[in-house]
Amino acid sequence: DTAVSQTPKYLVTQMGNDKSIKCEQNLGHDTMYWYKQDSKKFLKIMFSYNNKELIINETVPNRFSPKSPDKAHLNLHINSLELGDSAVYFCASSGWGTDTQYFGPGTRLTVL
Amino acid sequence: AQSVAQPEDQVNVAEGNPLTVKCTYSVSGNPYLFWYVQYPNRGLQFLLKYITGDNLVKGSYGFEAEFNKSQTSFHLKKPSALVSDSALYFCAVRAKGNNRLAFGKGNQVVVIP
Repeated sequence: DTAVSQTPKYLVTQMGNDKSIKCEQNLGHDTMYWYKQDSKKFLKIMFSYNNKELIINETVPNRFSPKSPDKAHLNLHINSLELGDSAVYFCASSGWGTDTQYFGPGTRLTVL
Repeated sequence: AQSVAQPEDQVNVAEGNPLTVKCTYSVSGNPYLFWYVQYPNRGLQFLLKYITGDNLVKGSYGFEAEFNKSQTSFHLKKPSALVSDSALYFCAVRAKGNNRLAFGKGNQVVVIP
């Protein structure tokens, strides 16, 4: 009955590699988000899609590319991983025009 | 621009005592305000929100928060803290019509048995 799920939960990889994180929501929401939580626990939005259309694109390196195959899925692909990409990445979803964002369990990315 | 300030890094409280976590906000127009809780190695869980109406909002796990427009505050409160309330608490704000949610830096709450 998981509302917002992410895979994988942990991701350990070498610098320079390319990796993807997947997110799925079964809440019927139209809007999905990616957030980055750094080592100091600060949360910052990266991207948002509404019904497969990009609506928020913060100042994020273009090595990060979100993809939304349908409104229930929002994946995050990261090219040429760097040490500074190490963080916890959270997916979230909300209904369009409604207020509450619901978060997934997070993916802890460690770049060695 | 919209922003949230959570002035304290850590809040320590004895079990059974009242718990308050402070939050002030800045936003253009009417604010939508939220509190989330994050337990270790977990995602954020929604606690409560203020959109409109009664300034006192009740949420999950016995938490409540009071919206104060003149002080631009939305402090989280619980009358009697439990050890299991020990977690990281985030306040967040967005303006009406804006999906971009701005989070505070978070407050670590430690409830001492």
